[in-house]
Amino acid sequence: LAKTTQPISMDSYEGQEVNITCSHNNIATNDYITWYQQFPSQGPRFIIQGYKTKVTNEVASLFIPADRKSSTLSLPRVSLSDTAVYYCLVGPAYNNNDMRFGAGTRLTVKP
Amino acid sequence: NAGVTQTPKFQVLKTGQSMTLQCAQDMNHNSMYWYRQDPGMGLRLIYYSASEGTTDKGEVPNGYNVSRLNKREFSLRLESAAPSQTSVYFCASSEVGSPLHFGNGTRLTVT
Repeated sequence: LAKTTQPISMDSYEGQEVNITCSHNNIATNDYITWYQQFPSQGPRFIIQGYKTKVTNEVASLFIPADRKSSTLSLPRVSLSDTAVYYCLVGPAYNNNDMRFGAGTRLTVKP
Repeated sequence: NAGVTQTPKFQVLKTGQSMTLQCAQDMNHNSMYWYRQDPGMGLRLIYYSASEGTTDKGEVPNGYNVSRLNKREFSLRLESAAPSQTSVYFCASSEVGSPLHFGNGTRLTVT
């Protein structure tokens, strides 16, 4: 199983763009990169998933370089409500059983 | 659309007592999962059920049993609770190739 490394915590201010980088040096050929968001007292919520290059949806963008050994979750113009823990997971898209949650990155957005 | 519903939301047990955590999903997903989350840590997979009628161990199955009652329901049982099982328990469901959908958790304290 691919191991991921991401910062334990980050601080930002409202309106700024936030980039959270995840390292996954031993990513396998058939592995995808998936990000989840977790608010206090709630279960994690899927944000975005990608395999290579760039993926964008209404919530975030995911940038994956050609070697796929890292990825960056980009949150544009964050607000206070984006304060949460963000998890980077690596594994086969068809097999959630092999996805492992690390400790995540605790993002705090300040006014 | 309720998604994944977990009951109860909170529970306090004494060491040695037993209880069953209930989980139901209304998305017609084949796969269901039980995770535990300890303070400051990510989620760890306890058991999963890839389809109705099957169950498999995850990372931390000791002290737990599960039952996939039907396609909608997946229960987690603690036969003899221990203080080390104090945690927040999350149930999730998914379809092949789709992300995990989580409930809002059961906060369990064992004294």
